[in-house]
Amino acid sequence: GENVEQHPSTLSVQEGDSAVIKCTYSDSASNYFPWYKQELGKGPQLIIDIRSNVGEKKDQRIAVTLNKTAKHFSLHITETQPEDSAVYFCAARALDLLINTGTASKLTFGTGTRLQVTL
Amino acid sequence: EPEVTQTPSHQVTQMGQEVILRCVPISNHLYFYWYRQILGQKVEFLVSFYNNEISEKSEIFDDQFSVERPDGSNFTLKIRSTKLEDSAMYFCASKRTQASEQYFGPGTRLTVT
Repeated sequence: GENVEQHPSTLSVQEGDSAVIKCTYSDSASNYFPWYKQELGKGPQLIIDIRSNVGEKKDQRIAVTLNKTAKHFSLHITETQPEDSAVYFCAARALDLLINTGTASKLTFGTGTRLQVTL
Repeated sequence: EPEVTQTPSHQVTQMGQEVILRCVPISNHLYFYWYRQILGQKVEFLVSFYNNEISEKSEIFDDQFSVERPDGSNFTLKIRSTKLEDSAMYFCASKRTQASEQYFGPGTRLTVT
């Protein structure tokens, strides 16, 4: 099955600096890669996702890149703010769009990165 | 904005007891999931549910676990005889179509003593 590795486990940056979190996946059939932000005591919240037909996607201060050949994808947060402090999880999913079933649509999560943005 | 809701937020139970965790997915969603997160660890898939049946389950989801969609709005996870190692956060998630993103609820913290 799919295995997702995530680095680093903790990351501390100063406000205004950029933060980069990297993930690798093992299953070449994976074609959907979401990123979730989890604040203390809350469930994971989707912040951005990318599908395998594109190499990069950007949404304001957040961007995600995907290298299918190397099987890795990264989250980039620019101009970090204290409210960006949270645990970030990457995930991967293989999706067969030709078959409308619930199979093969589970998310496999990485181990998480605790991001701390300091003043 | 519609959201997934879960009750209770925290459940404490004794080992061997049955617990039912409840979820109300987003109303027009068709795919439902349960995940768990042991403290400090990653989120792990338990089970997916579509068209009133389980479509996939992990090795964690053994005979002690069951899921049900008893009516048009609720989606429940039952643990028949809880063990200490079942202590975790349990997250419900739902999505509208096969290709759409999953939305997670706030979780239920289960503590087994």
